[in-house]
Amino acid sequence: NAGVTQTPKFRVLKTGQSMTLLCAQDMNHEYMYWYRQDPGMGLRLIHYSVGEGTTAKGEVPDGYNVSRLKKQNFLLGLESAAPSQTSVYFCASSYLTPSGGRQVEQFFGPGTRLTVL
Amino acid sequence: GIQVEQSPPDLILQEGANSTLRCNFSDSVNNLQWFHQNPWGQLINLFYIPSGTKQNGRLSATTVATERYSLLYISSSQTTDSGVYFCAVGDYNQGGKLIFGQGTELSVKP
Repeated sequence: NAGVTQTPKFRVLKTGQSMTLLCAQDMNHEYMYWYRQDPGMGLRLIHYSVGEGTTAKGEVPDGYNVSRLKKQNFLLGLESAAPSQTSVYFCASSYLTPSGGRQVEQFFGPGTRLTVL
Repeated sequence: GIQVEQSPPDLILQEGANSTLRCNFSDSVNNLQWFHQNPWGQLINLFYIPSGTKQNGRLSATTVATERYSLLYISSSQTTDSGVYFCAVGDYNQGGKLIFGQGTELSVKP
Protein backbone atom coordinates (compact mmCIF):
# COMPACT_ATOMS: atom_id res chain seq x y z
CA ASN A 1 0.00 0.00 0.00
CA ALA A 2 1.24 3.47 -0.88
CA GLY A 3 -0.96 4.98 1.84
CA VAL A 4 -1.70 8.67 1.26
CA THR A 5 0.10 10.31 -1.66
CA GLN A 6 0.14 13.94 -2.75
CA THR A 7 0.93 15.54 -6.09
CA PRO A 8 2.94 17.71 -6.65
CA LYS A 9 5.59 17.81 -3.91
CA PHE A 10 6.64 21.39 -4.67
CA ARG A 11 5.13 24.23 -6.66
CA VAL A 12 5.82 27.92 -7.21
CA LEU A 13 2.98 30.11 -8.45
CA LYS A 14 2.59 33.75 -9.32
CA THR A 15 -0.15 35.78 -7.70
CA GLY A 16 -3.43 35.21 -9.52
CA GLN A 17 -2.53 31.84 -11.02
CA SER A 18 -4.62 28.77 -10.33
CA MET A 19 -3.68 25.21 -9.51
CA THR A 20 -5.03 21.92 -8.18
CA LEU A 21 -3.42 19.73 -5.56
CA LEU A 22 -4.21 16.04 -5.77
CA CYS A 23 -4.50 13.68 -2.82
CA ALA A 24 -4.93 9.94 -3.34
CA GLN A 25 -5.34 7.12 -0.83
CA ASP A 26 -5.42 3.39 -1.46
CA MET A 27 -6.75 2.32 1.95
CA ASN A 28 -10.46 2.59 1.06
CA HIS A 29 -10.91 5.29 3.72
CA GLU A 30 -14.20 7.15 3.93
CA TYR A 31 -12.91 10.39 5.39
CA MET A 32 -10.39 12.75 3.79
CA TYR A 33 -9.00 16.10 4.91
CA TRP A 34 -6.91 19.02 3.68
CA TYR A 35 -4.79 20.95 6.20
CA ARG A 36 -2.27 23.74 5.88
CA GLN A 37 0.79 24.32 8.02
CA ASP A 38 2.38 27.72 8.36
CA PRO A 39 5.87 28.27 9.87
CA GLY A 40 6.06 27.54 13.59
CA MET A 41 2.46 26.43 13.80
CA GLY A 42 0.37 23.32 13.98
CA LEU A 43 -1.87 22.24 11.13
CA ARG A 44 -5.21 23.94 10.43
CA LEU A 45 -8.11 22.31 8.62
CA ILE A 46 -9.14 23.80 5.26
CA HIS A 47 -11.87 21.43 4.00
CA TYR A 48 -12.86 17.85 4.59
CA SER A 49 -15.04 15.09 3.16
CA VAL A 50 -16.96 12.35 4.93
CA GLY A 51 -17.59 10.38 1.75
CA GLU A 52 -17.61 10.39 -2.03
CA GLY A 53 -19.51 13.40 -3.37
CA THR A 54 -19.53 15.26 -0.04
CA THR A 55 -17.41 18.17 1.19
CA ALA A 56 -17.51 20.54 4.16
CA LYS A 57 -15.65 23.65 5.31
CA GLY A 58 -13.01 23.56 7.97
CA GLU A 59 -11.31 26.26 9.99
CA VAL A 60 -9.68 28.24 7.12
CA PRO A 61 -11.65 27.57 3.89
CA ASP A 62 -11.49 30.99 2.21
CA GLY A 63 -9.73 31.02 -1.17
CA TYR A 64 -9.94 27.24 -1.62
CA ASN A 65 -12.35 24.81 -3.24
CA VAL A 66 -12.43 21.02 -3.05
CA SER A 67 -13.99 18.08 -4.83
CA ARG A 68 -14.38 14.38 -4.00
CA LEU A 69 -15.64 12.76 -7.19
CA LYS A 70 -14.02 9.41 -6.39
CA LYS A 71 -13.64 7.83 -2.97
CA GLN A 72 -9.89 7.53 -3.30
CA ASN A 73 -9.20 11.09 -4.46
CA PHE A 74 -9.61 14.50 -2.82
CA LEU A 75 -8.67 17.60 -4.84
CA LEU A 76 -7.82 21.02 -3.44
CA GLY A 77 -8.09 23.98 -5.81
CA LEU A 78 -6.76 27.50 -5.63
CA GLU A 79 -8.62 29.63 -8.18
CA SER A 80 -6.54 32.80 -7.77
CA ALA A 81 -3.45 32.25 -5.65
CA ALA A 82 -2.36 34.88 -3.13
CA PRO A 83 0.94 35.21 -1.20
CA SER A 84 -1.01 34.43 2.00
CA GLN A 85 -1.54 30.93 0.62
CA THR A 86 2.17 30.18 0.73
CA SER A 87 2.23 27.17 3.01
CA VAL A 88 2.76 23.43 3.28
CA TYR A 89 -0.41 21.51 2.48
CA PHE A 90 -1.12 18.12 4.01
CA CYS A 91 -3.80 15.65 3.06
CA ALA A 92 -5.07 13.01 5.48
CA SER A 93 -7.53 10.14 5.50
CA SER A 94 -9.25 7.98 8.08
CA TYR A 95 -11.76 5.18 8.28
CA LEU A 96 -14.83 3.98 10.10
CA THR A 97 -14.59 1.04 12.45
CA PRO A 98 -16.20 -2.19 11.21
CA SER A 99 -19.33 -1.32 13.15
CA GLY A 100 -19.49 1.82 10.99
CA GLY A 101 -20.02 4.19 13.85
CA ARG A 102 -16.63 5.54 14.68
CA GLN A 103 -13.95 7.31 12.69
CA VAL A 104 -10.53 6.79 14.10
CA GLU A 105 -6.88 7.42 13.41
CA GLN A 106 -5.88 9.86 10.66
CA PHE A 107 -2.98 9.12 8.34
CA PHE A 108 -1.13 11.91 6.58
CA GLY A 109 0.51 12.31 3.21
CA PRO A 110 4.03 13.73 2.72
CA GLY A 111 2.86 17.30 2.05
CA THR A 112 3.03 19.79 -0.82
CA ARG A 113 5.18 22.87 -0.38
CA LEU A 114 3.54 25.81 -2.21
CA THR A 115 5.09 29.23 -2.69
CA VAL A 116 3.06 32.10 -4.14
CA LEU A 117 5.13 35.04 -5.37
CA GLY B 1 -13.94 25.54 19.64
CA ILE B 2 -11.56 23.19 21.34
CA GLN B 3 -8.26 24.72 22.47
CA VAL B 4 -5.10 22.61 22.59
CA GLU B 5 -2.03 23.69 24.52
CA GLN B 6 1.30 21.92 24.47
CA SER B 7 4.20 22.36 26.83
CA PRO B 8 7.04 23.02 26.84
CA PRO B 9 7.31 24.85 23.49
CA ASP B 10 11.00 23.97 23.19
CA LEU B 11 13.20 21.33 24.75
CA ILE B 12 16.90 20.60 24.44
CA LEU B 13 18.21 17.25 25.70
CA GLN B 14 21.46 15.36 25.80
CA GLU B 15 21.34 11.98 24.14
CA GLY B 16 20.19 9.37 26.63
CA ALA B 17 18.02 11.70 28.69
CA ASN B 18 14.30 11.21 29.35
CA SER B 19 11.53 13.74 28.75
CA THR B 20 7.81 14.31 29.22
CA LEU B 21 5.69 16.37 26.85
CA ARG B 22 2.25 17.55 27.89
CA CYS B 23 -0.96 18.28 25.97
CA ASN B 24 -3.94 20.00 27.61
CA PHE B 25 -7.28 20.33 25.86
CA SER B 26 -10.30 22.40 26.74
CA ASP B 27 -13.26 20.10 26.00
CA SER B 28 -14.28 16.47 25.77
CA VAL B 29 -12.72 14.61 22.87
CA ASN B 30 -12.91 11.08 21.51
CA ASN B 31 -9.86 11.24 19.28
CA LEU B 32 -6.35 12.15 20.37
CA GLN B 33 -3.22 11.53 18.37
CA TRP B 34 0.48 12.25 18.86
CA PHE B 35 2.66 12.94 15.83
CA HIS B 36 6.35 13.45 15.25
CA GLN B 37 7.25 15.86 12.46
CA ASN B 38 10.80 15.04 11.42
CA PRO B 39 13.28 17.61 10.05
CA TRP B 40 12.15 16.76 6.51
CA GLY B 41 8.58 17.77 7.34
CA GLN B 42 7.05 14.31 7.35
CA LEU B 43 4.27 13.68 9.90
CA ILE B 44 4.69 10.33 11.58
CA ASN B 45 1.88 8.77 13.61
CA LEU B 46 3.10 7.92 17.09
CA PHE B 47 -0.05 7.10 19.02
CA TYR B 48 -3.80 7.08 18.64
CA ILE B 49 -4.77 7.37 22.30
CA PRO B 50 -8.14 8.92 23.23
CA SER B 51 -7.77 7.31 26.67
CA GLY B 52 -5.50 4.98 28.60
CA THR B 53 -1.82 4.16 28.20
CA LYS B 54 0.16 2.78 25.28
CA GLN B 55 3.81 1.97 24.75
CA ASN B 56 5.88 1.58 21.62
CA GLY B 57 9.55 0.95 22.26
CA ARG B 58 11.12 3.96 23.96
CA LEU B 59 7.94 5.99 23.62
CA SER B 60 4.82 5.78 25.70
CA ALA B 61 1.72 7.92 26.08
CA THR B 62 -1.03 8.36 28.62
CA THR B 63 -4.32 10.19 28.19
CA VAL B 64 -6.57 11.06 31.13
CA ALA B 65 -9.69 12.10 29.26
CA THR B 66 -11.65 13.08 32.38
CA GLU B 67 -8.93 15.58 33.31
CA ARG B 68 -8.35 16.67 29.70
CA TYR B 69 -4.67 16.04 29.30
CA SER B 70 -2.24 13.67 27.63
CA LEU B 71 1.44 12.99 28.23
CA LEU B 72 4.09 11.68 25.85
CA TYR B 73 7.16 10.09 27.42
CA ILE B 74 10.43 9.70 25.56
CA SER B 75 13.05 7.59 27.27
CA SER B 76 16.74 7.24 26.42
CA SER B 77 16.43 9.93 23.76
CA GLN B 78 18.38 9.67 20.50
CA THR B 79 19.37 12.33 17.98
CA THR B 80 16.81 10.87 15.59
CA ASP B 81 14.08 11.87 18.05
CA SER B 82 14.69 15.52 17.15
CA GLY B 83 11.85 17.37 15.49
CA VAL B 84 8.47 18.75 16.46
CA TYR B 85 5.93 16.74 18.43
CA PHE B 86 2.28 17.57 17.88
CA CYS B 87 -0.76 16.63 19.86
CA ALA B 88 -4.08 16.76 17.98
CA VAL B 89 -7.60 16.19 19.28
CA GLY B 90 -10.94 15.71 17.63
CA ASP B 91 -14.53 14.61 17.84
CA TYR B 92 -15.68 11.89 15.46
CA ASN B 93 -19.21 13.26 15.75
CA GLN B 94 -17.96 16.43 14.01
CA GLY B 95 -16.45 14.89 10.91
CA GLY B 96 -13.42 13.67 12.82
CA LYS B 97 -11.44 16.83 12.10
CA LEU B 98 -8.33 17.29 14.21
CA ILE B 99 -7.36 20.41 16.15
CA PHE B 100 -3.59 20.67 16.52
CA GLY B 101 -1.54 22.16 19.29
CA GLN B 102 1.39 24.46 18.51
CA GLY B 103 3.88 21.66 19.04
CA THR B 104 6.96 21.00 21.16
CA GLU B 105 10.25 21.39 19.32
CA LEU B 106 12.73 18.82 20.61
CA SER B 107 16.43 18.94 19.93
CA VAL B 108 18.57 16.01 21.08
CA LYS B 109 22.30 16.73 21.20
CA PRO B 110 24.93 13.98 20.82
